[in-house]
Amino acid sequence: QPVLTQSSSASASLGSSVKLTCTLSSGHSSYIIAWHQQQPGKAPRYLMKLEGSGSYNKGSGVPDRFSGSSSGADRYLTISNLQSEDEADYYCETWDTSTHVFGTGTKVSVL
Amino acid sequence: QLQLQESGPGLVKPSETLSLTCTVSGGSISSNNYYWGWIRQPPGKGLEWIGSIYYSGSTYYNPSLKSRVTISVDTSKNQFSLKLSSVTAADTAVYYCARQVYSDRDWYFDLWGRGTLVTVSS
Repeated sequence: QPVLTQSSSASASLGSSVKLTCTLSSGHSSYIIAWHQQQPGKAPRYLMKLEGSGSYNKGSGVPDRFSGSSSGADRYLTISNLQSEDEADYYCETWDTSTHVFGTGTKVSVL
Repeated sequence: QLQLQESGPGLVKPSETLSLTCTVSGGSISSNNYYWGWIRQPPGKGLEWIGSIYYSGSTYYNPSLKSRVTISVDTSKNQFSLKLSSVTAADTAVYYCARQVYSDRDWYFDLWGRGTLVTVSS
């Protein structure tokens, strides 16, 4: 089954950009993933679906500041013009016909 | 707008069975385009998928939990339910229900409930 690897934390200044990485395990580099945001004390929120081609589809109401891209087995989430409300945990998710897998999450701090 | 709401006991004794229900409002659970799933999150930790069900009753489960998990659906009530048997303190978590897109290539969760904390303790 696929495994997703995420760095544990990232930080950037208010108004700047941050790029988060989710890496698919060997043999699974073509997999589609989804990104989810979890603000402190809240439920996760779906942000987008991201394909290996770099094409992405965002959920309803997700600000334009959030974008996705891909390179090989890496899937990226870029947050531009970082706002205080973007301070959250970000999880990637993938699946096959018999399972779902979440990454360990990246905690984003806004400086 | 479709919403999901978890309900059930917040405290379960060790060795007993955890039972939760997710009520879907603002839309039908009997959609060809969606599965419905359960995900949990232990305090301070990450997300773990438990299992998913289609409105027809077709299910698939996390292999690590499969021996203890049963997910069922009641289309007449627009609800689906989770039962987790023989619980221990390690099953203490916030439990989320979620809608799962279902198509040829897309099987991701796109709408989450607010979650409910279940504590396993005597």
